[in-house]
Amino acid sequence: DAGVIQSPRHEVTEMGQEVTLRCKPISGHDYLFWYRQTMMRGLELLIYFNNNVPIDDSGMPEDRFSAKMPNASFSTLKIQPSEPRDSAVYFCASSRYQGTEAFFGQGTRLTVV
Amino acid sequence: SQQGEEDPQALSIQEGENATMNCSYKTSINNLQWYRQNSGRGLVHLILIRSNEREKHSGRLRVTLDTSKKSSSLLITASRAADTASYFCATADMEYGNKLVFGAGTILRVKS
Repeated sequence: DAGVIQSPRHEVTEMGQEVTLRCKPISGHDYLFWYRQTMMRGLELLIYFNNNVPIDDSGMPEDRFSAKMPNASFSTLKIQPSEPRDSAVYFCASSRYQGTEAFFGQGTRLTVV
Repeated sequence: SQQGEEDPQALSIQEGENATMNCSYKTSINNLQWYRQNSGRGLVHLILIRSNEREKHSGRLRVTLDTSKKSSSLLITASRAADTASYFCATADMEYGNKLVFGAGTILRVKS
């Protein structure tokens, strides 16, 4: 398996624009997680899905953030409108079971100017 | 905060020396895991220790868990320059449905 695949690797956008981050989890993994990493706040869990259903979105910072998982092999994290404080590295991870080994993608480095 | 805390925040050692990192957490856990992150890359799982285990080994890694003190340690023996990375502990938090909560990490630098 190729592992968790995220795209794009880097994204630079202007404040106010819509940003969509994409993730393909490992086949057979029932759990998918979106994390955000910044120097100030470390690694924060934004939302996670079980069998394509959002289970806990308590980490989503604002209504500007939304996530979907239309099928078992694809998820998106959307920010609309984007703000400079959204600049961070966003990671997608998947695991077979909740609380077990998580496999991370390479991340998307988002810069909002 | 749910997050665990690692100490030290940064550690610099010579190649061949041992490196010890500590992690403390606040809640009841199902397991505790350690991850490594090389600069600009995603996190990579190193080892998982269950709440009913006290010690676990994997190659040059040794992890201990003390649930009474809510703490864990990661020992890397005979360190190599390639071990230079950030190391994170993550707890499967029973009070929050076993979702993984990560600590702030320890930055390890191994000088050759």
